[in-house]
Amino acid sequence: AQTVTQSQPEMSVQEAETVTLSCTYDTSESDYYLFWYKQPPSRQMILVIRQEAYKQQNATENRFSVNFQKAAKSFSLKISDSQLGDAAMYFCAYRRTYSGGSNYKLTFGKGTLLTVNP
Amino acid sequence: KAGVTQTPRYLIKTRGQQVTLSCSPISGHRSVSWYQQTPGQGLQFLFEYFSETQRNKGNFPGRFSGRQFSNSRSEMNVSTLELGDSALYLCASSLGGTGAYEQYFGPGTRLTVT
Repeated sequence: AQTVTQSQPEMSVQEAETVTLSCTYDTSESDYYLFWYKQPPSRQMILVIRQEAYKQQNATENRFSVNFQKAAKSFSLKISDSQLGDAAMYFCAYRRTYSGGSNYKLTFGKGTLLTVNP
Repeated sequence: KAGVTQTPRYLIKTRGQQVTLSCSPISGHRSVSWYQQTPGQGLQFLFEYFSETQRNKGNFPGRFSGRQFSNSRSEMNVSTLELGDSALYLCASSLGGTGAYEQYFGPGTRLTVT
């Protein structure tokens, strides 16, 4: 079974600084998807960024970028120029690729609570 | 385009009762997944429906069930509620086909069992 581990329960960053959240995963699959989701205090889960395992290029979305190390099974999220609105719980998630119908399950890590200090 | 909606947003029930939660996906999305979120266990997958068929099921007891209607709206039902069922229940919708289709989450239903 796939597992996702986020080793940092809490992180803090100063506004305008850069922070990196860590995620490792375990899978025997060669192709899969990885996601970072953000859950602010409102509890609405919001997709931040997505990475396809077959792509070597790291995904980037504005101030958010990932460092995907497939061999090491590592998928970290870097937030640049941190803003107060970035404060939230961040979840790393894994999903298998389509394989005939049983693939839409997301496996989540336990989350990292990010605090942004003004 | 309207997002995923879940009703009700908050619910208080007593042990032994049953409860039904509703989820309306984004228009055009055919896949609906349900997750349970608790402080202790984190986010756990319950089940996923696509075109009215359950495609995948998580490791939950049979008290947890669901269904999907022809308009893709989905309901989940929990019978004989236990204190441990208190949680935030999240619904997510997706196009449901092949490919890296993202799942978009609703605001959740907060269930409290007393």
